[in-house]
Amino acid sequence: NAGVTQTPKFQVLKTGQSMTLQCAQDMNHNSMYWYRQDPGMGLRLIYYSASEGTTDKGEVPNGYNVSRLNKREFSLRLESAAPSQTSVYFCASSGLGVASYNEQFFGPGTRLTVL
Amino acid sequence: AQSVTQPDIHITVSEGASLELRCNYSYGATPYLFWYVQSPGQGLQLLLKYFSGDTLVQGIKGFEAEFKRSQSSFNLRKPSVHWSDAAEYFCAGRNNAGNMLTFGGGTRLMVKP
Repeated sequence: NAGVTQTPKFQVLKTGQSMTLQCAQDMNHNSMYWYRQDPGMGLRLIYYSASEGTTDKGEVPNGYNVSRLNKREFSLRLESAAPSQTSVYFCASSGLGVASYNEQFFGPGTRLTVL
Repeated sequence: AQSVTQPDIHITVSEGASLELRCNYSYGATPYLFWYVQSPGQGLQLLLKYFSGDTLVQGIKGFEAEFKRSQSSFNLRKPSVHWSDAAEYFCAGRNNAGNMLTFGGGTRLMVKP
C-alpha cells in the first residue's frame, strides 16, 4: 500500500515549456487535490476532483489544467510554464468526498523550478 | 473571508521543554480544524483534527490541541519536545459545508539539544 505517489520528484523547466505532473493513489479514495506550497503561504489549492469525472477550480487555478484519468489518477498540466510557477506541488486524496471531515493524505511532493 | 493564521513563523525550543504553536481562524460557524506536520522533503502528515464535541483533542506523537471559540484559536501543544519534532507545522481549517482546506502559513519548529 503505497498511499499517494507523485512523479517526478524534481523538475527544471524553461519558461514556455509544458509538463504534466502525475499523481496516483491506491486507497480507493473518491476525492483528489492539487496544491502548491510557497514559503510563508502554506498550501494553496489549485484544483480538486470530488469524484471520478469531475474537476473544479481551487484558489489558484490560473496557468494549470487537470485531468482525472480514472479513480486512481489525477494529473496536473502546465501548458506554458512561467517562473511564478516555481513551487513545490503536492497531490492529496481523501476518502469520503470533499465535504466530509475525512482527512486528506498527501504525496511526497514535486519540486518544480522554472527558469 | 475565511482564513487561518499562524502568527509565529519560527519557534525554537530546548529539547524536553513544553511547546505551544498558535493558530487563529476566521470562520462564520464552527470550522473543522486540523494540524499537519511536514518533515523536511516530505509530504504532510495529519497530527489531529477537531470537528465538534470535546474541545481538547489528542493526536499522534503526543500532541494535543484545544479549540477555544471565544479566542478563535486552535493551539497545538506538547508537554515535552523531542529532537525528532523539528519540522514545519501547519494549521488548516474548513467550514462544515465547504470543500476546500485553508492552510495557515506554517510555523517552523527548531529544537535545541
